[in-house]
Amino acid sequence: DAGVIQSPRHEVTEMGQEVTLRCKPISGHNSLFWYRQTMMRGLELLIYFNNNVPIDDSGMPEDRFSAKMPNASFSTLKIQPSEPRDSAVYFCASSLGGIEKLFFGSGTQLSVL
Amino acid sequence: KQEVTQIPAALSVPEGENLVLNCSFTDSAIYNLQWFRQDPGKGLTSLLLIQSSQREQTSGRLNASLDKSSGRSTLYIAASQPGDSATYLCAVRPASNYQLIWGAGTKLIIKP
Repeated sequence: DAGVIQSPRHEVTEMGQEVTLRCKPISGHNSLFWYRQTMMRGLELLIYFNNNVPIDDSGMPEDRFSAKMPNASFSTLKIQPSEPRDSAVYFCASSLGGIEKLFFGSGTQLSVL
Repeated sequence: KQEVTQIPAALSVPEGENLVLNCSFTDSAIYNLQWFRQDPGKGLTSLLLIQSSQREQTSGRLNASLDKSSGRSTLYIAASQPGDSATYLCAVRPASNYQLIWGAGTKLIIKP
């Protein structure tokens, strides 16, 4: 298996622009997580999907952030409008059942200028 | 509220040494504990997962132990190699929640 696939690897954008991050989980995994990592705050869980349904989005910073999972093999995280403080590495991770080993993608390095 | 602490924040040892990384947690009601490795600019790789009913897990040169009563886990790395240099994070899954609680990590440097 190719593992969790994220795109793009790097994204540089200007403040106010829309940013869309993409994730393909491991085939057969039914739980998907979006994380954000910064030096100051470490890893923060943004949203958790189980069987394509958002279970907990309490970590989403504000209304500028939204996430979707239209099917079992694809998820997006959108930021609109983006702000410099959104600059971070965004990780997608998947697991079987939500309580077992977590597999991470390589992340998207987002820089908002 | 569950809190996870990893000490030290950084560790540098010569190649070939055996070493122990520490992880402590405040609430013993956990479902499992995972150790991850993160290389610079990369994602996290799950190394070992210990269920709450287990005392240890082994994979190659790695051995992770779990003592719920004392709120501690250790990751033992035998015969360290420069390729082991990375940041090691532990994460606890509380018994009542799917959400992982993360330590801040230990940055390990193995000197050739």
